[in-house]
Amino acid sequence: SQQGEEDPQALSIQEGENATMNCSYKTSINNLQWYRQNSGRGLVHLILIRSNEREKHSGRLRVTLDTSKKSSSLLITASRAADTASYFCATDVQGAQKLVFGQGTRLTINP
Amino acid sequence: KAGVTQTPRYLIKTRGQQVTLSCSPISGHRSVSWYQQTPGQGLQFLFEYFSETQRNKGNFPGRFSGRQFSNSRSEMNVSTLELGDSALYLCASRSGYNEQFFGPGTRLTVL
Repeated sequence: SQQGEEDPQALSIQEGENATMNCSYKTSINNLQWYRQNSGRGLVHLILIRSNEREKHSGRLRVTLDTSKKSSSLLITASRAADTASYFCATDVQGAQKLVFGQGTRLTINP
Repeated sequence: KAGVTQTPRYLIKTRGQQVTLSCSPISGHRSVSWYQQTPGQGLQFLFEYFSETQRNKGNFPGRFSGRQFSNSRSEMNVSTLELGDSALYLCASRSGYNEQFFGPGTRLTVL
């Protein structure tokens, strides 16, 4: 079963706009990782945020983590058509040696 | 450094057959995990290996099995294939910083 929920399930924006995706989870975690997937291909690792971190940046990506609310958000700034993909959050569950995935957000960037 | 490789990329089998999928992790990574992705169930954890030992197993029937070799390469086997086993099977290797990097996947179709 899925660890948590991602919101929204689908998001369509214009190129150049910012996209925000949210992820909630249920159990204690070591870290939370975000991935991108294009059309059923492999998952591309975007960023990892540890449980003791609150915010992390990588290029146009900004990730926040609120462990008290068991939630995370991924912000993509200045979106491009190439950002069109599905985005997944995955929690590295404490003591489990596995990632538990949300159901993903389908992001469409319109030119 | 080469990424995670998986072979074969595509596979078509018939019900009742068995299949073996292979995964080579990133050089130096000793942990390998397997995940199944389907439209209905999303991404689900199958098992995780570290130094040839299975450390965790997901909620899948015994028809799903795996192993890891001394060079960290891993194989998973599915016996007595069912239609519902059609999926994208993804392998991931874990870095020393706990980032998990995925391969391109093996698309299994069971007819």
